[in-house]
Amino acid sequence: GQNIDQPTEMTATEGAIVQINCTYQTSGFNGLFWYQQHAGEAPTFLSYNVLDGLEEKGRFSSFLSRSKGYSYLLLKELQMKDSASYLCAVRDRDYGQNFVFGPGTRLSVLP
Amino acid sequence: GAVVSQHPSWVICKSGTSVKIECRSLDFQATTMFWYRQFPKQSLMLMATSNEGSKATYEQGVEKDKFLINHASLTLSTLTVTSAHPEDSSFYICSAAEARGRSLSSYNEQFFGPGTRLTVL
Repeated sequence: GQNIDQPTEMTATEGAIVQINCTYQTSGFNGLFWYQQHAGEAPTFLSYNVLDGLEEKGRFSSFLSRSKGYSYLLLKELQMKDSASYLCAVRDRDYGQNFVFGPGTRLSVLP
Repeated sequence: GAVVSQHPSWVICKSGTSVKIECRSLDFQATTMFWYRQFPKQSLMLMATSNEGSKATYEQGVEKDKFLINHASLTLSTLTVTSAHPEDSSFYICSAAEARGRSLSSYNEQFFGPGTRLTVL
């Protein structure tokens, strides 16, 4: 089966840096995705990692370690609009290449 | 590019009625579409995977006779919630994977629709 874990809630200050961790256990790992979801809206794609290492995209970076079953999303220069849920999703080739979503981390950015 | 729409965005219905939700890929062909359900403060739960021209694959615990899925074309999939009850009230989100290759391993991401909020009274 699959198991994905994330912290439920995090709080950070505007302008700061925050790291959201995701640990996973899957039998047929084939990529990890991070999505941002504002309340009442659909998720929007942030990043994709399939090889170990860091992927940087503007204020957002995502890191993957396949041997440790671990990823993190790093948000720099936090803005109020970054307050949202962040979903870690793993694609599993033993699950028909479908995505399995983690519980999501609700981030609150305070002034 | 890669825009997915859903209709309606919000629906309220009486218990016992059926509701149809449409998911369209507007500027690409989607061989595969996915239907998710999300309860408040919870993550997305995959309900079924829909491949164009074939029967949908339902996740364990999802009643195929209650949640009818049709994927008649490369740009349209529909989810019909039959005999809806209050416990079916949820946020239903579809996503589409672009047909870039012959297998899903060539897809890098899913494109999500804006979601449909269903409230059953």
